[in-house]
Amino acid sequence: GEDVEQSLFLSVREGDSSVINCTYTDSSSTYLYWYKQEPGAGLQLLTYIFSNMDMKQDQRLTVLLNKKDKHLSLRIADTQTGDSAIYFCAEIDNYGQNFVFGPGTRLSVLP
Amino acid sequence: DAGVIQSPRHEVTEMGQEVTLRCKPISGHDYLFWYRQTMMRGLELLIYFNNNVPIDDSGMPEDRFSAKMPNASFSTLKIQPSEPRDSAVYFCASSLTGEGEQYFGPGTRLTVT
Repeated sequence: GEDVEQSLFLSVREGDSSVINCTYTDSSSTYLYWYKQEPGAGLQLLTYIFSNMDMKQDQRLTVLLNKKDKHLSLRIADTQTGDSAIYFCAEIDNYGQNFVFGPGTRLSVLP
Repeated sequence: DAGVIQSPRHEVTEMGQEVTLRCKPISGHDYLFWYRQTMMRGLELLIYFNNNVPIDDSGMPEDRFSAKMPNASFSTLKIQPSEPRDSAVYFCASSLTGEGEQYFGPGTRLTVT
């Protein structure tokens, strides 16, 4: 079945860039997603990338997609304390009807 | 729209009791998903519905868990009897399409003692 993997923890200093990595197995995914979960809250869509794109930039966020290696990354520039959260990578399964979420990367931003 | 609404936000119950979690999806969304989140297992999809019909319940842990969607604006997840290992945060999410953005509710934190 589909599998999405992420490193579980990342710590960065305020003002530095954060890079959160994700690998996935289903090469037929049309979209790949990044969700953010703040403490005590549900998940919120942060950004997504269509599978025929290599890169997508949205203000401080840059998503890079390497389809050959099935590798997705999320870069947050000028990381702030408000960016501290868990970030989930997700892909759509083979049936196109179901998200497969990674385990989440807990980002801690140190002052 | 108020977003996905879940109730209760917190539930504490004793082992063996029946627990019912409720969800109201965003109006017009055809898909509804139930997830469970724990530190050990992360986010797990339990079941999802399309147009009120259960499509995939392979994630439901065991027969103690059941989910219904009697109409487009309401779904329940029931655990009977509950066990301490069921303690988790349960999220409901809805989306317009299967591939589209899923909108998550705030979750129900369940504690079974």
